[in-house]
Amino acid sequence: QVQLQQSGPGLVKPSQTLSLTCVISGDSVSTNSAAWNWIRQSPSRGLEWLGRTYYRSKWFNDYALSVKSRITINPDTSKNQFSLHLNSVTPDDTAVYYCTRDFLGTDLYEKFDYWGQGTPVTVSS
Amino acid sequence: DIQMTQSPSSLSASVGDRVTVTCRASERINRYLNWYQQKPGKAPELLIYAASTLQSGVPSRFSGSGYGTEFTLTISDLQPEDFATFFCQQSYTTPYTFGPGTKLEIK
Repeated sequence: QVQLQQSGPGLVKPSQTLSLTCVISGDSVSTNSAAWNWIRQSPSRGLEWLGRTYYRSKWFNDYALSVKSRITINPDTSKNQFSLHLNSVTPDDTAVYYCTRDFLGTDLYEKFDYWGQGTPVTVSS
Repeated sequence: DIQMTQSPSSLSASVGDRVTVTCRASERINRYLNWYQQKPGKAPELLIYAASTLQSGVPSRFSGSGYGTEFTLTISDLQPEDFATFFCQQSYTTPYTFGPGTKLEIK
């Protein structure tokens, strides 16, 4: 059974960096059959995919254009986890942030089959 | 980006009813369509992937269909635990995008 456990602060000041960590159990961040994503949810934006990291003989990242200049998602193989760093935050970045596994089965269809518990993050001074 | 729309945005139904939710993509996505259920204060949970494949452990009263740009989620014989918000999501290409959600309420 895969489990994703999120951690990180719930309050970030404007212009600072939002940092969250997702610890994986039951799978490996280096697996060739999944990608590790961050998604956020807010009343104004709904569910918004932010980006992912994945390993296919080497590490790759994909990011949403809306945050591409501010986001970094990093794997940490020694701790079997991955992290989100979003810099220069504004109140518009206030949301619940989720880490998820995007599993690629033998049928080649991807799906977010495991989610972290969610971290409500407020950007405010 | 591929835009996802859903209809209706909300609906009321009774236990035992059959309901259908529609999801449309702004361009063809073949069968790369997933459905999720979200209850208040919880993360979304995967119900259906590849438009019609039931995720392991999901009751058979949930079903999905569609191809290309139009998809449906059907719940037959509604149970009390089914009342929640449902989202579709395209996995055809990044950026992955979600529909705005359909809130299913008890009549």
